Amino acid sequence: EPEVTQTPSHQVTQMGQEVILRCVPISNHLYFYWYRQILGQKVEFLVSFYNNEISEKSEIFDDQFSVERPDGSNFTLKIRSTKLEDSAMYFCASKLFGTNTGELFFGEGSRLTVL
Amino acid sequence: KQEVTQIPAALSVPEGENLVLNCSFTDSAIYNLQWFRQDPGKGLTSLLLIQSSQREQTSGRLNASLDKSSGRSTLYIAASQPGDSATYLCAPLETSGSRLTFGEGTQLTVNP
Repeated sequence: EPEVTQTPSHQVTQMGQEVILRCVPISNHLYFYWYRQILGQKVEFLVSFYNNEISEKSEIFDDQFSVERPDGSNFTLKIRSTKLEDSAMYFCASKLFGTNTGELFFGEGSRLTVL
Repeated sequence: KQEVTQIPAALSVPEGENLVLNCSFTDSAIYNLQWFRQDPGKGLTSLLLIQSSQREQTSGRLNASLDKSSGRSTLYIAASQPGDSATYLCAPLETSGSRLTFGEGTQLTVNP
């Protein structure tokens, strides 16, 4: 069964360092998302991406964050200068159809620990 | 702003019991609602997607209902098994955007 894959599964970084989290969405999907979950808290929306541009972003997704689809398969989330509060599980998700239909499929997540 | 509440926060039942998990949301302008399962430290597994025009959706031992006008959804699990132990999350998709809004989840433990 097709799945969303994420790398790395766990990354430890020092505060102020840049981090890139990588995702390979399901191959024929067109809509891509990043969500995050701070330990013990709700899953929160970060950003949605379609047709090589951001469709929507949350208040969390400030100038320190960026997303890119550098080739036909990868979808990346970059955090330019990490803060302690960026420590969380980051989930990539994708769906085939537009915003009003279609099931969202999530990857297993990348755990980011900022020291 | 959409707010999602899930009740109960935690539930412990003996194996074989039928159970109901509740989800309420404040903004009824939704396209659909998805139920997910999350195992500790793992990703989100989609269980059911119920469109706003539907009232019910079934998959195996799972049945989800949706009452959009009252802002409620329930997930019914029949004949629960220890393997069903996980956190269950509901997430409506608003018509105003592309984001899912998640509840805190119901942590289910099924005891053998």
